[in-house]
Amino acid sequence: EDQVTQSPEALRLQEGESSSLNCSYTVSGLRGLFWYRQDPGKGPEFLFTLYSAGEEKEKERLKATLTKKESFLHITAPKPEDSATYLCAVQAGSYIPTFGRGTSLIVHP
Amino acid sequence: DSGVTQTPKHLITATGQRVTLRCSPRSGDLSVYWYQQSLDQGLQFLIHYYNGEERAKGNILERFSAQQFPDLHSELNLSSLELGDSALYFCASSAGQGHVSPLHFGNGTRLTVT
Repeated sequence: EDQVTQSPEALRLQEGESSSLNCSYTVSGLRGLFWYRQDPGKGPEFLFTLYSAGEEKEKERLKATLTKKESFLHITAPKPEDSATYLCAVQAGSYIPTFGRGTSLIVHP
Repeated sequence: DSGVTQTPKHLITATGQRVTLRCSPRSGDLSVYWYQQSLDQGLQFLIHYYNGEERAKGNILERFSAQQFPDLHSELNLSSLELGDSALYFCASSAGQGHVSPLHFGNGTRLTVT
């Protein structure tokens, strides 16, 4: 069974204070790893797809990286509008995405 | 805007009742997924349809059923509702099946069972 564990569960940062969110996974045959952002009362919004170890993707202040066992979402100089829950999901043999429980990020001005 | 539409946004009903949640996928997407999100369980996969056919089932209760219609919209039916069924129900769509592609989510239906 595919497993995805995200840490920390919650993270509070000051504006401009860079940090990283972790997504550890246990799957048989990773085909893709996804990062999503979810705002309160909204559905998850797709951010990145990573396919293989060593791959990196960037979008504004966010940078996602992938190793054979985990992925990191690096947030550089965050702003209050980056406050959200960040979800990680993996797609393996069954092609049904399995989600982690997310990291709730709050960025204080 | 993801292009996925879910109705209604909120639903309040009593135990033992039956409700229907509706989802219209993004234009051109053939796959529809249903997920349940609760505070203690995160996003849990319920069921997947592709072009009108059921393709995968997750932790979906026997009291729950779904279908995808010829126009590709989907409905999730929840019956004999219990307090524990209170949750956010999300529909998501993607272009195909059997290949790696992100899901595009609607804004969910918040179900409250009293």
